Amino acid sequence: DTGVSQNPRHKITKRGQNVTFRCDPISEHNRLYWYRQTLGQGPEFLTYFQNEAQLEKSRLLSDRFSAERPKGSFSTLEIQRTEQGDSAMYLCASSLGAGGSVNNEQFFGPGTRLTVL
Amino acid sequence: AQSVAQPEDQVNVAEGNPLTVKCTYSVSGNPYLFWYVQYPNRGLQFLLKYITGDNLVKGSYGFEAEFNKSQTSFHLKKPSALVSDSALYFCAVRLTSGTYKYIFGTGTRLKVLA
Repeated sequence: DTGVSQNPRHKITKRGQNVTFRCDPISEHNRLYWYRQTLGQGPEFLTYFQNEAQLEKSRLLSDRFSAERPKGSFSTLEIQRTEQGDSAMYLCASSLGAGGSVNNEQFFGPGTRLTVL
Repeated sequence: AQSVAQPEDQVNVAEGNPLTVKCTYSVSGNPYLFWYVQYPNRGLQFLLKYITGDNLVKGSYGFEAEFNKSQTSFHLKKPSALVSDSALYFCAVRLTSGTYKYIFGTGTRLKVLA
C-alpha cells in the first residue's frame, strides 16, 4: 500500500493559465474525492467519483473546473483560466466503498499547493 | 444547509490533562462521523469513525470520541494529552441519503503545553 499520491506537490502559475493536477488513489479504492483547502479552513468538497463515474460536483465549482477519472484509477483536476482566488491546497482522497451501510474512511494525499500570481 | 461545526478555533491543554475537542453537526439522515488530524506539512490522517453501535468509539493514538444522537455531537477526547498531540483536528460527516459526500468542519487547533 503506497498510499494516495498527488502531483505536482506545488504549482505556481500566472493568472489566466490552465493547470492540471493528478491524483493516484490507493489501487483497490473505488471512490475518489477532490477537495480544496484554504488557510484556516477545513477541506471543501469539490467532486467525487465512483469508479469512472463522476457522481457529484459542488455547486460552488465554476465551469472552469473539470475533473476526470477515465479508467477508474487515477484522476485529473483541471482549472482553466486560473484566477488569484483559485490559490489553495487541492486535496485528493480515496476510499473503498462497499455495498450496504459499511464504508471505510478516506485516505488523503499530501495535496497540491497552487499559487496563482 | 448541511454543516459541521467546530466551535473552538483553538484548544489549549496542559500535558497529562484530559482533552476534549468539540464537534456538532446539522445534516439529514444518519451520517457516518469521522475525526481526522493534520500535522504541519502533512496530509490529513484518519483517527476514528462512528458508523453504528456503541456511542463511544476508540481510535488511533489513544483518542476516543463520543457520539450523542440527541445533541448531534461527536466530541473527540483523550484521557491524558501529550505534547505530540498538538495539531489541527477536523471533524467530518459522510452523508448517507443518496450521496457519498463528506462535509468537514473548519478545524480546531490543539495545543498541548509541556
